[in-house]
Amino acid sequence: GENVEQHPSTLSVQEGDSAVIKCTYSDSASNYFPWYKQELGKRPQLIIDIRSNVGEKKDQRIAVTLNKTAKHFSLHITETQPEDSAVYFCAAGTTDSWGKLQFGAGTQVVVTP
Amino acid sequence: NAGVTQTPKFQVLKTGQSMTLQCAQDMNHNSMYWYRQDPGMGLRLIYYSASEGTTDKGEVPNGYNVSRLNKREFSLRLESAAPSQTSVYFCASSRTSGPSSYNEQFFGPGTRLTVL
Repeated sequence: GENVEQHPSTLSVQEGDSAVIKCTYSDSASNYFPWYKQELGKRPQLIIDIRSNVGEKKDQRIAVTLNKTAKHFSLHITETQPEDSAVYFCAAGTTDSWGKLQFGAGTQVVVTP
Repeated sequence: NAGVTQTPKFQVLKTGQSMTLQCAQDMNHNSMYWYRQDPGMGLRLIYYSASEGTTDKGEVPNGYNVSRLNKREFSLRLESAAPSQTSVYFCASSRTSGPSSYNEQFFGPGTRLTVL
């Protein structure tokens, strides 16, 4: 089955700096790659997703890039703010999986003022 | 719309006890999922229901059973709780409508379960 590895497990950044989280996946049939943000004590919420026919997608300060050849995708957060502090999860979805996702272990992002 | 709701929010069980976690969604979604979240392990799929009337195992199904009661409700049952089942349980739903269809998963608020 699919295996998703996520790095780093923790990331501390100064407010205003950029943060990058990287994920690799094992199944070449994966074609959907969402990112979820989970604030402390809250439920995970989708922040951005990308499909395999697109190499990059941006939404304000957040961008995701996908390299299908290398089987890795990354989340980029620019101009970080204290409210960006949370756990971020990458995930991968495979063809014919009826919406099932394989999640990475998560990255704890701490933005310090 | 309430979105995805779960009950209870917290539960403490003794080893060997049974309980059912309830989940309901009011978004007319086809697919529903049960995850467990443990520190450093992300979200792991326990069971899912691609559509009303169907259920299937996920990554960690041992010790659990599910029921898709109708399109809105998807329950998770622990028949004989074990300390290893101490975790936070999340229910999710999406409007996924086919084998290769992907849509946003909406999560419930979670149930924090402790098994002593």
